[in-house]
Amino acid sequence: DQQVKQNSPSLSVQEGRISILNCDYTNSMFDYFLWYKKYPAEGPTFLISISSIKDKNEDGRFTVFLNKSAKHLSLHIVPSQPGDSAVYFCAASGARGGADGLTFGKGTHLIIQP
Amino acid sequence: GAGVSQSPSNKVTEKGKDVELRCDPISGHTALYWYRQSLGQGLEFLIYFQGNSAPDKSGLPSDRFSAERTGGSVSTLTIQRTQQEDSAVYLCASSDKLAGTDTQYFGPGTRLTVL
Repeated sequence: DQQVKQNSPSLSVQEGRISILNCDYTNSMFDYFLWYKKYPAEGPTFLISISSIKDKNEDGRFTVFLNKSAKHLSLHIVPSQPGDSAVYFCAASGARGGADGLTFGKGTHLIIQP
Repeated sequence: GAGVSQSPSNKVTEKGKDVELRCDPISGHTALYWYRQSLGQGLEFLIYFQGNSAPDKSGLPSDRFSAERTGGSVSTLTIQRTQQEDSAVYLCASSDKLAGTDTQYFGPGTRLTVL
């Protein structure tokens, strides 16, 4: 039973345009959400997070939106750059009552086309 | 400062052997986590330490897996009698949970191959 779902295994976007990565979750106990970026043969790198008390968090080119009623969050990258090509993981915490291993989606491979 | 480090970066072993993976968290981080990523899958939570204690061992896939943390710093993940399905990238993360943040910072991982 997958509690965090990233339904698009891959996404191709032209350089300079907006990249939108989506994530859905099923567990209403989640109260903190994160996006990580991963290059091959490296560990995930933290990008941006959002608490469930907010609906938007922005950091430079990255914005995360949270829609609690729909149990949906998205990551917007604008403008997209070639170095953004990587696998992006959505993750959530809070469902274990403080013993918080993150629950991850399976990732979306973002490809930025020149 | 230095990030999370893990060793070895790669480990090839024969089925039935024991392996030990090491994680050195970010200095001062009280919380430490182990995950694994099998081919084509997302990261799977294994175990979490707060200080030296592990309040949540629910993610360990079998009793062949164990982990310890000493001195509130370095952790080792031990897999006994390895099986081919144990082949995966094992990732360690740490966070400054006492500062009230759940943001976890990951090491580069150990790629384990069981032949």
